[in-house]
Amino acid sequence: DVKVTQSSRYLVKRTGEKVFLECVQDMDHENMFWYRQDPGLGLRLIYFSYDVKMKEKGDIPEGYSVSREKKERFSLILESASTNQTSMYLCASREQGVLGANVLTFGAGSRLTVL
Amino acid sequence: EDQVTQSPEALRLQEGESSSLNCSYTVSGLRGLFWYRQDPGKGPEFLFTLYSAGEEKEKERLKATLTKKESFLHITAPKPEDSATYLCAVQEDQAGTALIFGKGTTLSVSS
Repeated sequence: DVKVTQSSRYLVKRTGEKVFLECVQDMDHENMFWYRQDPGLGLRLIYFSYDVKMKEKGDIPEGYSVSREKKERFSLILESASTNQTSMYLCASREQGVLGANVLTFGAGSRLTVL
Repeated sequence: EDQVTQSPEALRLQEGESSSLNCSYTVSGLRGLFWYRQDPGKGPEFLFTLYSAGEEKEKERLKATLTKKESFLHITAPKPEDSATYLCAVQEDQAGTALIFGKGTTLSVSS
């Protein structure tokens, strides 16, 4: 089974701090994604990456950046954390598929609180 | 306008009381529709993928169906362990596109 590991389950940071959320997958998947999940708003796509060193903005990229230097690792960076970035962050990976709709496999999530 | 709408937002059932969750979508071309289950504090867990109208898939007490504009997740004789948030997501008919998620239906089953 594909395993997607998010290194931090719970983080508490101060406003203005730089925050790194790390995600590693072990099945050689090309595509990786970062979502945030908030009550009443559902899952919203922040950034995604089709392959190493490639990235695309999702629906809510403002205040975030990403890094994909190696195929298995996709990092989400909050350059200067703000209280409105308090949320559950979910990483996911997927095998690149030309024809079919391939399943997203999610990590357990990282709950970030910004004070 | 939301492209994926789930209803109801919350559903309370008694153990054994069957019901259905709805997911309607408005994307122009559908590559696939996905159902996920999410327990509190955890990441979503994959349940089903449906590709074309008329398709059905089953797993234990769950059965997912698909029409051209909506999908249903039927829960037959639910048990308390079926309590979770059920998420629907669609992938549009373009290579490599990300999933578009609905806001979910939170199901509570009491004994």
